[in-house]
Amino acid sequence: GESVGLHLPTLSVQEGDNSIINCAYSNSASDYFIWYKQESGKGPQFIIDIRSNMDKRQGQRVTVLLNKTVKHLSLQIAATQPGDSAVYFCAENTGKLIFGQGTTLQVKP
Amino acid sequence: DTEVTQTPKHLVMGMTNKKSLKCEQHMGHRAMYWYKQKAKKPPELMFVYSYEKLSINESVPSRFSPECPNSSLLNLHLHALQPEDSALYLCASSQDWANWGLAKNIQYFGAGTRLSVL
Repeated sequence: GESVGLHLPTLSVQEGDNSIINCAYSNSASDYFIWYKQESGKGPQFIIDIRSNMDKRQGQRVTVLLNKTVKHLSLQIAATQPGDSAVYFCAENTGKLIFGQGTTLQVKP
Repeated sequence: DTEVTQTPKHLVMGMTNKKSLKCEQHMGHRAMYWYKQKAKKPPELMFVYSYEKLSINESVPSRFSPECPNSSLLNLHLHALQPEDSALYLCASSQDWANWGLAKNIQYFGAGTRLSVL
């Protein structure tokens, strides 16, 4: 069946360092992925998306990389700030969103 | 503006109560969704409405009853809930569900209703 998973439940980084959050998926036909950020007490917030016809997409301080060969995507956050502390979910969009388990990013001052 | 508004923010109810959760968006989106999120877990889809018609019911128990009165509003009626139904209930909307593969169909979420069933 479909599944989307994250490698690490928790990632702790120093403020100012770069963060890399990983996600693996199982369906080789998967076409469209979205990264969401969920802060405590809030709903998931859209960060960035990528379609399977792309390998890389950049936003403001964030980059998503998609490796279709190994069915892996990653979210890179440059110069991580305290406000980046949250749970990050990758999700496959098949008309329904199939979320991974989430990685909690902790930013140390 | 990508705002989805949910009310109430918190709700405590007994197992015999009837209550409703409300969701509103004014982005002109034609797809609206209900998700359930337990602590430290990802959101799980419950229902999808597309053009005010129920398109997906993920085998949700009948004690949860969705309603879409118009294109901007989505309700979730609750009756005879169980303590295990306590969770964060999230509403989301997107531009178009029927053509999700063609459109940039990003779902935007509200802040959720924190439900406690006693």
